[in-house]
Amino acid sequence: DVKVTQSSRYLVKRTGEKVFLECVQDMDHENMFWYRQDPGLGLRLIYFSYDVKMKEKGDIPEGYSVSREKKERFSLILESASTNQTSMYLCASSLDTSSYEQYFGPGTRLTVT
Amino acid sequence: KQEVTQIPAALSVPEGENLVLNCSFTDSAIYNLQWFRQDPGKGLTSLLLIQSSQREQTSGRLNASLDKSSGRSTLYIAASQPGDSATYLCAAKHTTTDSWGKLQFGAGTQVVVTP
Repeated sequence: DVKVTQSSRYLVKRTGEKVFLECVQDMDHENMFWYRQDPGLGLRLIYFSYDVKMKEKGDIPEGYSVSREKKERFSLILESASTNQTSMYLCASSLDTSSYEQYFGPGTRLTVT
Repeated sequence: KQEVTQIPAALSVPEGENLVLNCSFTDSAIYNLQWFRQDPGKGLTSLLLIQSSQREQTSGRLNASLDKSSGRSTLYIAASQPGDSATYLCAAKHTTTDSWGKLQFGAGTQVVVTP
């Protein structure tokens, strides 16, 4: 079975802090994704990566950056956390960009105070 | 832009009844459609994936159908159980060249199965 893990289930940070969210997949998938999920807004794509060191902006990249130095690991970085980045963050991976399904991690609930 | 809609937003049924969850999408040019389950505060669990060339997929008590021409997918859950209580989301993957495998999600249907 595909396994996608995220470094923390819950995280509390202060405004202005630099925050790293880590995601690791164990199935040699090419593509990895970061979403955020908010009540009333659903899931929104922040960034995705289709290969090591490659990235593309999603729908809401402002205030975020990403890093993919190794195929199995995709990091989301909040350079200077703000309260409006309080959210549930979900990582996903898939074998390719077309026909294969996406597998999701357990999520990180981030609170910025 | 592809829009994915799930109606109703919430559903409550007694245990044993069959569940019917609806998903509609505006653009029929899709690679596939995926159904997920989400428990409160948790991530998404993939339930079924239907490719654009398929009409339905089955897994245990779950059956998902796809009608591209009408822009609809339906998830059927037979003989519902309290453990089926969760939010169910559908997501369509576009075929456009700039989509990069992006999924367009519906808002979900929250299901409660009462004992």
